[in-house]
Amino acid sequence: GAVVSQHPSWVICKSGTSVKIECRSLDFQATTMFWYRQFPKQSLMLMATSNEGSKATYEQGVEKDKFLINHASLTLSTLTVTSAHPEDSSFYICSAPGGRATYNEQFFGPGTRLTVL
Amino acid sequence: GNSVTQMEGPVTLSEEAFLTINCTYTATGYPSLFWYVQYPGEGLQLLLKATKADDKGSNKGFEATYRKETTSFHLEKGSVQVSDSAVYFCALSDQDFNKFYFGSGTKLNVKP
Repeated sequence: GAVVSQHPSWVICKSGTSVKIECRSLDFQATTMFWYRQFPKQSLMLMATSNEGSKATYEQGVEKDKFLINHASLTLSTLTVTSAHPEDSSFYICSAPGGRATYNEQFFGPGTRLTVL
Repeated sequence: GNSVTQMEGPVTLSEEAFLTINCTYTATGYPSLFWYVQYPGEGLQLLLKATKADDKGSNKGFEATYRKETTSFHLEKGSVQVSDSAVYFCALSDQDFNKFYFGSGTKLNVKP
């Protein structure tokens, strides 16, 4: 099946710094990718849709100036958490649709755990 | 709007017990339904899916049937193993394609 990778798998940063998380589709192209946030013992919350060649679409309540998304190529989307604060600590997961051969199926990355001190 | 409701956990079972995790949904149009599993420290993996009413998804002994009349997609397994211990998420994708809505997750603990 299709593989989605994320880098880094975990990161610890100081409050006020920015952190970039990469999401790559390894063996397929993805014009659209999705970013989720998962709080401890809770479900995934869709944050935004990353669109190759155009601006990301953010869900209601998600600050687009804080969570910058860039879909740099057909295999790479990045999420930058700007001026991170402890409340941004969370598990961030990306996903990408697998294409026609895997109709309506999403492939998820392994996630990135962000801890802001 | 679209939403998914699943039973709260944790669910604790002995090995070889029967498992049911309830999932109901609200959706406009004709959604596809999914069960994902998340093992400790790992990302989500697709367990099974059903794309239309009355379809049955199955994988690794797990089954779920898309019931439109009851808007449900309950997950079942006849005999659980310790290795099935994980968090299970019910999800739907709407006709806009690819936008997923997840339930809150149910943690399953299987004891030997």
